[in-house]
Amino acid sequence: EPEVTQTPSHQVTQMGQEVILRCVPISNHLYFYWYRQILGQKVEFLVSFYNNEISEKSEIFDDQFSVERPDGSNFTLKIRSTKLEDSAMYFCASRTDSMNTEAFFGQGTRLTVV
Amino acid sequence: GEDVEQSLFLSVREGDSSVINCTYTDSSSTYLYWYKQEPGAGLQLLTYIFSNMDMKQDQRLTVLLNKKDKHLSLRIADTQTGDSAIYFCAESIRAAGNKLTFGGGTRVLVKP
Repeated sequence: EPEVTQTPSHQVTQMGQEVILRCVPISNHLYFYWYRQILGQKVEFLVSFYNNEISEKSEIFDDQFSVERPDGSNFTLKIRSTKLEDSAMYFCASRTDSMNTEAFFGQGTRLTVV
Repeated sequence: GEDVEQSLFLSVREGDSSVINCTYTDSSSTYLYWYKQEPGAGLQLLTYIFSNMDMKQDQRLTVLLNKKDKHLSLRIADTQTGDSAIYFCAESIRAAGNKLTFGGGTRVLVKP
């Protein structure tokens, strides 16, 4: 069964460092998303991406964040200068089209900023 | 804006039915979902319901939607220990690109 894969499963980084979280969406999917879940809090929408550009982003997704689809298969989330409060589980999701009901989620990357 | 709320915790005995409740605020929700998250794992879609439906049944799962009260519930029949997990309610709005707004999750503990 096709699945969304995320790497690494756990990343520890020092405050101020840049991190890149990687996702491989399901191959025929067109819409891609990043969500995050701070420990003990809700899963929050960060950004959606379609046709090689951001289609929507939340207030959380400030200038420190960027997304890219560098090679037609990977979908990356970059945090330029990490802060302690960026520590969270980051989930990637994809769907075939905007009307399709199901977004498939990856297993998540746990980011710990120390 | 969208807001989704759930109770935090539910304890149930194995073999009993579990009912997890969720309320949402945005009346323009298109689809409502239930996701399951096991420890250390990602979000697994269990079931969803379109906003013009009242009920959907899928094996042991029954979803009830009261659109007037903006209330969604998930009933798990014959709850098993493997059903212990966090259950998230989520809504999406077609006009908002179908991004998901999640509730805080209900931790379900199934006791033998």
